[in-house]
Amino acid sequence: DIVMAQSPDSLAVSLGERATINCKSSQSVLYRADNRNYLAWYQQKPGQPPKLLIYWASTRESGVPDRFSGSGSGTDFTLTISSLQAGDVAVYYCQQYYGSPLTFGGGTKVEIK
Amino acid sequence: EVQVLESGGGLVQPGGSLRLSCVASGFTFSDFAMTWVRQVPGKGLEWVSSISGGGGSTYYADSVKGRFTISRDNSKNTLYLQMNSLRADDTAIYSCGKYYCTSTNCDRGYFDFWGQGALVTVSS
Repeated sequence: DIVMAQSPDSLAVSLGERATINCKSSQSVLYRADNRNYLAWYQQKPGQPPKLLIYWASTRESGVPDRFSGSGSGTDFTLTISSLQAGDVAVYYCQQYYGSPLTFGGGTKVEIK
Repeated sequence: EVQVLESGGGLVQPGGSLRLSCVASGFTFSDFAMTWVRQVPGKGLEWVSSISGGGGSTYYADSVKGRFTISRDNSKNTLYLQMNSLRADDTAIYSCGKYYCTSTNCDRGYFDFWGQGALVTVSS
């Protein structure tokens, strides 16, 4: 199984500041045949189901604000919130879909400082 | 608007059975693979099972293989999860979701929408 490790477990960021979340996979999720990274990011607000933010490591889902961006390749990925808003308080998860079983990172809790 | 609504959760004794249902709307159900994901309250996410749009291909996590069965009735826009031989570590919120296949056989993909979930508690 591909193990997904997220860091940090939690972080507190001031409103308007940048939040950076890391995700590392135990093996590359870059598929050479199509040069795509098989990685997604989700946001889960308290009491709500997860919501898809990013897929193919850097493609924003329709309707997701452009302050959310994904980057990275191979085994190391980053989700960046460029200017944190109060409504961004949530737990963020990465997920690989390169191999079966599909696996998630442990989550990163983002709070307001 | 895409919507899914799970039902069928509850309290069951170890070794017992339960069937979850998920009614979907807002999209052409038969055109899309569907999935079940579970989450222990306050903990992380675990993929459980997926099924292709036509129902011909099914996939399971090792932790539930041989005990859980995923199925769908496209005439009713409904997804099911039959859970047998339940154990305490199956206790979780089970959410159904719409699944974007990234492989031809749908054994891999990402989850582009999921529901609030149904709580399953396995306890004596």
